[in-house]
Amino acid sequence: DTEVTQTPKHLVMGMTNKKSLKCEQHMGHRAMYWYKQKAKKPPELMFVYSYEKLSINESVPSRFSPECPNSSLLNLHLHALQPEDSALYLCASSDSAGTLGYTFGSGTRLTVV
Amino acid sequence: GEDVEQSLFLSVREGDSSVINCTYTDSSSTYLYWYKQEPGAGLQLLTYIFSNMDMKQDQRLTVLLNKKDKHLSLRIADTQTGDSAIYFCADAGTALIFGKGTTLSVSS
Repeated sequence: DTEVTQTPKHLVMGMTNKKSLKCEQHMGHRAMYWYKQKAKKPPELMFVYSYEKLSINESVPSRFSPECPNSSLLNLHLHALQPEDSALYLCASSDSAGTLGYTFGSGTRLTVV
Repeated sequence: GEDVEQSLFLSVREGDSSVINCTYTDSSSTYLYWYKQEPGAGLQLLTYIFSNMDMKQDQRLTVLLNKKDKHLSLRIADTQTGDSAIYFCADAGTALIFGKGTTLSVSS
């Protein structure tokens, strides 16, 4: 299995909702990442997990809460989002932070209404 | 912090060569990458280059790296309409940091 699987592919949520994005990989990668991408802009790094520990938080608002339950799973919990948080959320993994072999999922397209 | 810069637009005719340029600031990067993204789609890894290499060729793609000037380029030979997309260079420090992207438009 050489893929990163993200669910759901599309999500529409209200500003008072709580939802979660999920990411899964079975390549044995020990680093996992969340990126946010707005239309026609580059992906922006949000969080890095290395060996299941949060190693980088790029000053992301607390309404985004990452979780790494085990080495194969990465979640992003969403609460009280704003319309400007609407974007494509990409998950990626690599064998370890900063090395070759980044694999990206196809993303969750999030719309906040 | 790390910064990666790219020219924003490039327009070429079908059959011509395209050259997309990128500059980066993090000199500790081991690898540098090129990704392609078509409208509404995810990121597709095109190619990468190890930091101690000057050049890498992969079919129609040629990557040139000038480590002294921290300049990376991607040449696409015989550009086709299917090559129309946004191209991102990315610098792998502690995580992938992307340039702003170059929109390549290919006209027939």
